[in-house]
Parts: sequence; structure tokens; C-alpha cells
Amino acid sequence: GAGVSQSPSNKVTEKGKDVELRCDPISGHTALYWYRQSLGQGLEFLIYFQGNSAPDKSGLPSDRFSAERTGGSVSTLTIQRTQQEDSAVYLCASSLTGGVRSYNEQFFGPGTRLTVL
Amino acid sequence: EDKVVQSPLSLVVHEGDTVTLNCSYEVTNFRSLLWYKQEKKAPTFLFMLTSSGIEKKSGRLSSILDKKELSSILNITATQTGDSAIYLCALTGNQFYFGTGTSLTVIP
Repeated sequence: GAGVSQSPSNKVTEKGKDVELRCDPISGHTALYWYRQSLGQGLEFLIYFQGNSAPDKSGLPSDRFSAERTGGSVSTLTIQRTQQEDSAVYLCASSLTGGVRSYNEQFFGPGTRLTVL
Repeated sequence: EDKVVQSPLSLVVHEGDTVTLNCSYEVTNFRSLLWYKQEKKAPTFLFMLTSSGIEKKSGRLSSILDKKELSSILNITATQTGDSAIYLCALTGNQFYFGTGTSLTVIP
């Protein structure tokens, strides 16, 4: 079956512009996670969704970052007024159920490489 | 401050060697420790550890958690070039915490 998909695969934008990153989780997976990997850094947790709600948003680096999930499926991560330090690979993962209290194996998408010039 | 530290940062070995990767942590409300293998962009899950002293094994890979020492090791025996990757350690506590990874290069 289809895995987690993300779009676009690559995004180059100018500083100050807004960007939207999309994640399509595996069908039936209720939990969805967003991560960021910057060059030379570890994988950074941003936010996770259980259904359409986000119990934990504490990983979002600033108020320029927001995420939503609709219909318990697709999620979008929006970065407003992008800065050069936002350049990174943004990874999405989904799991059957999840959250930090009950871990289930996460399936990762291929990521979106964001470059802010 | 919650943190996850992996060592070594990078490692170069010859095929057939055995390697041991380390992960130490300070995490509030520890729930589980996870090992991932990352090639290219997306990590693939290897192990989840919740109980101290119980070894998990998958082929040439094995891992064990020591809650007293707040650490875990990942062993790879008889390494192959296909084992070359970044190995990530992650903890679940109040949220997910990731180490910066150990970059393993296996040369023929």
C-alpha cells in the first residue's frame, strides 16, 4: 500500500515569504508527526496530531510556524515570513495510534527540502 | 534540561567489524528509547526499548537499555557496507527528543 507522502519534495523561497508543506499519512493512521532536520543537527520534533487535534505544539520553534490537520488525514505545516534559519528538511510521519504516551512504529515520508534564500 | 547525547559522532570501520554505538540521556518522565537508521532523508525504525536489561535483537543488530546509567547501546556485528548510515537515538518523555546521531561508514 501507499506510504506517507509529502509535497513538494523541494521548495526554494525568498526570505519573508510564506510556505505551506503538505503531508498525506498512511490511510487509517490516526497519529501524525512533523519533524525538522537542519544541516548537522539532530531530528527535531515539531508537533504531533492525534486525529485533528494537536495535544502537543511545544516543539514549534516560533509563532511563525503553525500546522493543521483536517478530516483526520492530510496535514499542512505553514511557515510565515520565512527566515534563512528555517532552511531544513521537514519530515512527516504517521502511526496507527500514537503520541508520546503510547508509541507505535512511525512511518516516515520522504521529506520536503526547504531552502530560504 | 532534557537532552540526548550520542557517541561517537562518527565512526569508520571495515566490513566484518563489530561496532557499539552509545546513547545517553536526561529526560523528564522517560517513557521509551528508540533507535532509528537514517539513510538519505527519512529514518527507519529499528528498536523501541522500555525495560532495563532486556536485549532486543534483529539479525546482526541488537540493543539494550540501562535505566540506572541512563543509557543505551546499539551493537552491530559483522558490519556490511549497507550498514553505512546515521543511527539516531530518540527518547519519548514529555515530547520526543532526538540525539544528533552517529554517522557510521563501513568500508569494504
